[in-house]
Amino acid sequence: AQSVTQLDSQVPVFEEAPVELRCNYSSSVSVYLFWYVQYPNQGLQLLLKYLSGSTLVKGINGFEAEFNKSQTSFHLRKPSVHISDTAEYFCAVSVSMNYGGSQGNLIFGKGTKLSVKP
Amino acid sequence: KAGVTQTPRYLIKTRGQQVTLSCSPISGHRSVSWYQQTPGQGLQFLFEYFSETQRNKGNFPGRFSGRQFSNSRSEMNVSTLELGDSALYLCASSLGLDNEQFFGPGTRLTVL
Repeated sequence: AQSVTQLDSQVPVFEEAPVELRCNYSSSVSVYLFWYVQYPNQGLQLLLKYLSGSTLVKGINGFEAEFNKSQTSFHLRKPSVHISDTAEYFCAVSVSMNYGGSQGNLIFGKGTKLSVKP
Repeated sequence: KAGVTQTPRYLIKTRGQQVTLSCSPISGHRSVSWYQQTPGQGLQFLFEYFSETQRNKGNFPGRFSGRQFSNSRSEMNVSTLELGDSALYLCASSLGLDNEQFFGPGTRLTVL
């Protein structure tokens, strides 16, 4: 079975500072990795995903993440955050299609609330 | 292009009742997934449908059921509601099984 651990439930940071949201996963088979953002009273929006290929993935809104297979991690980073980045961020995994999985069967972490202060 | 539509957006029910939630995917999308979001358990996978067939089911009791119609619209049903079923139910659609999911705004169910 797959599982996802987001190590920080809350991350406060000042505007224009860099931020890293940590995510570790466990799986015995090949997985896809995702980061989603959720603003209050809204659904989820995909920030970026890793399916295969380059381990450094760039997403929307200036976010990027690096897939590290040996450390089973997929940490999300942004060099300079804005007030508008205040939201909850979710890391998720799914079993890859090569192992009978799909992108529609996601296992989510518990989420990290990013609070950007002026 | 219209996004994923979920109806109703808010719902209040009492224990023991049943409820049906609806999800209209983005036009052309054939895959629909459902998730439950609660403060305690977080986001949990409920079902995945593709071309009217349930492809995967999460670890939920049989009171939770779903279906997908030929136009790809999907419904989920919860019977004999319990207080713990109070949650935000999210629907997501994608072109196919190996494509990006797009989430709807969710239906907030409150069970009293």
